[in-house]
Amino acid sequence: EPEVTQTPSHQVTQMGQEVILRCVPISNHLYFYWYRQILGQKVEFLVSFYNNEISEKSEIFDDQFSVERPDGSNFTLKIRSTKLEDSAMYFCASSGQQGEAFFGQGTRLTVV
Amino acid sequence: AQSVTQPDIHITVSEGASLELRCNYSYGATPYLFWYVQSPGQGLQLLLKYFSGDTLVQGIKGFEAEFKRSQSSFNLRKPSVHWSDAAEYFCAVGRAGGTSYGKLTFGQGTILTVHP
Repeated sequence: EPEVTQTPSHQVTQMGQEVILRCVPISNHLYFYWYRQILGQKVEFLVSFYNNEISEKSEIFDDQFSVERPDGSNFTLKIRSTKLEDSAMYFCASSGQQGEAFFGQGTRLTVV
Repeated sequence: AQSVTQPDIHITVSEGASLELRCNYSYGATPYLFWYVQSPGQGLQLLLKYFSGDTLVQGIKGFEAEFKRSQSSFNLRKPSVHWSDAAEYFCAVGRAGGTSYGKLTFGQGTILTVHP
């Protein structure tokens, strides 16, 4: 069964450092998303991406965040200068033309 | 703005007992509704979805959910719970069209514990 894969599963970084979280969406999907879940809180939408551009973004997705689809298979989330409060589980998801979103296993980001 | 409420943070049931997890939503248009499950250390797995049509939808692992527009609810049910169902369950709402299917608002989740 096709699945969304995310790497790494766990990333530890120092405050102020840049991190890139990587995702390989399901191959025939067209829509891509990033979500985050701070420990003990709800899963929150960050951004959606279609046709090589951002479709929607939440107020959380400020200038320190960016997304990119550098090639035909990868979808990345970059955080330019990490803060302690960026520590969370980050989920990538993808969906097809008409349908539900499929989520990856998540990357746990710990900022120290 | 859309919102989802899962009133029960933690539910404990005995193996073999029936289960109902509650979900209430607030949304201005016809909602697209989902239930996801997250086992420890795992990602979010889709259990079932409601887009339109029959208000009782069947999902994987023997789960079903019923959409009740009048009550703004989409409760998840299972007639007989197995120990492997212990996990956290999330209700989510989205809307139709393109990227909107995957732009979801989640509830805070219900942790299910199953006693042998």
